[in-house]
Order: sequence, then C-alpha cells, then structure tokens
Amino acid sequence: DSGVTQTPKHLITATGQRVTLRCSPRSGDLSVYWYQQSLDQGLQFLIHYYNGEERAKGNILERFSAQQFPDLHSELNLSSLELGDSALYFCASSVPTTGFTDTQYFGPGTRLTVL
Amino acid sequence: EDQVTQSPEALRLQEGESSSLNCSYTVSGLRGLFWYRQDPGKGPEFLFTLYSAGEEKEKERLKATLTKKESFLHITAPKPEDSATYLCAVQALQGAQKLVFGQGTRLTINP
Repeated sequence: DSGVTQTPKHLITATGQRVTLRCSPRSGDLSVYWYQQSLDQGLQFLIHYYNGEERAKGNILERFSAQQFPDLHSELNLSSLELGDSALYFCASSVPTTGFTDTQYFGPGTRLTVL
Repeated sequence: EDQVTQSPEALRLQEGESSSLNCSYTVSGLRGLFWYRQDPGKGPEFLFTLYSAGEEKEKERLKATLTKKESFLHITAPKPEDSATYLCAVQALQGAQKLVFGQGTRLTINP
C-alpha cells in the first residue's frame, strides 16, 4: 500500500458524459501527478500540481482538467467522453527534495470504461 | 524528446533461472531513472531510483544498475511471485518533473 488513495476504483459511463476522478496523496506530499495508461500508449503523463498550483502539463486533452485543493487532494475532470478515453488513470504523489529527484508513489488507479 | 525503450517485451523463465531486463534511454540530462513493478490492474509499485552512471541498488532478488545510456534490472533465482510487468522511467533535469515511461517488460516465472 503506497498511501495514495483513488476513488472510484471502477467507472463505467457513456460517450459524451463527464466524470470526476479523485486522488488523496500520501500524508505530507505536496505534489500530485496524473497519468493515463492505455494498452497502446503505455503510461503517459497528464498534469502535475504542487501545493495547489499547476506546475506542468503533458499530453492532456482540452476536454480534461484538474485541480488540487487546499487539503491537497486532487480531482481530474474528464468531459465529452469518447471511446478512446477508456483507460486506467493513476495519480502519484511525492515530496519534493532539494538536490535529488523525488520518488513518485502511485495509487491503485481508476479504471474508466466509456461505452 | 526524452525516450525510454525496454526489452524484451515479454520474458518467460523457469523458477530459479536468472536473467536481465534492459532499459535504454535518451534524455536531455538525467535527474533520475526509476524502476517500478506493476501487477495486472494495479498501480506501479516503486522499486529503485538510480541517479548516476555506475550506481547499483539491490532489493531481495533484484539488482538495478545504470550506465550513461541504459539500465539493467537483474533478477537472480526468481520465484513465481516475481511475475509482473517491470516498468522503467526517466525524469529529466530540466523542465517538468514528469516521468517518461517505457512500455514495460512482462515477466512470467513458471514453477
């Protein structure tokens, strides 16, 4: 158990709908990262938040958005869903350390199925 | 663009048969190279971080090594419970602190 929690575990919805995925980082971690894992693309970085502020964006579609709240939990909002959005969505958290890289610890993921 | 290539894609071994997984990378300055283990339907589980060429880290039957262009994950006398997908990722010195992952090596250990 990494200490990162994600809800829900599974989500089944229809095309055109909107969903919200939730992530609670490990206690004390200020950074939250979102990744998407599909069979053909592997694990792809979506977005990084640090202490409530957006730090970096990766291959995140305009239909997707995220935010990090004052209590440090994060939500990933996916709208106008398409079949191709079906994937595993992972959140990871870390404590940034000066001078070295910070290890990212991953949650159990949310499996999104768009029908 | 930062890239990670892992080989082989899949590997089947008999219990006790040692082998190595390869991770080749290109990155504009390496901040760190990470190895994760992922079981089906689960989140990646952190194994090792390597920072500079020549560095080695060990954990039970696993040993990770790093050169300037690649990393190896050596598995000694594996057991069936070592079956999983092993993921390699790099983090660049400059820019975003994102991890760039390889496609993984799916390892199966037969009893």
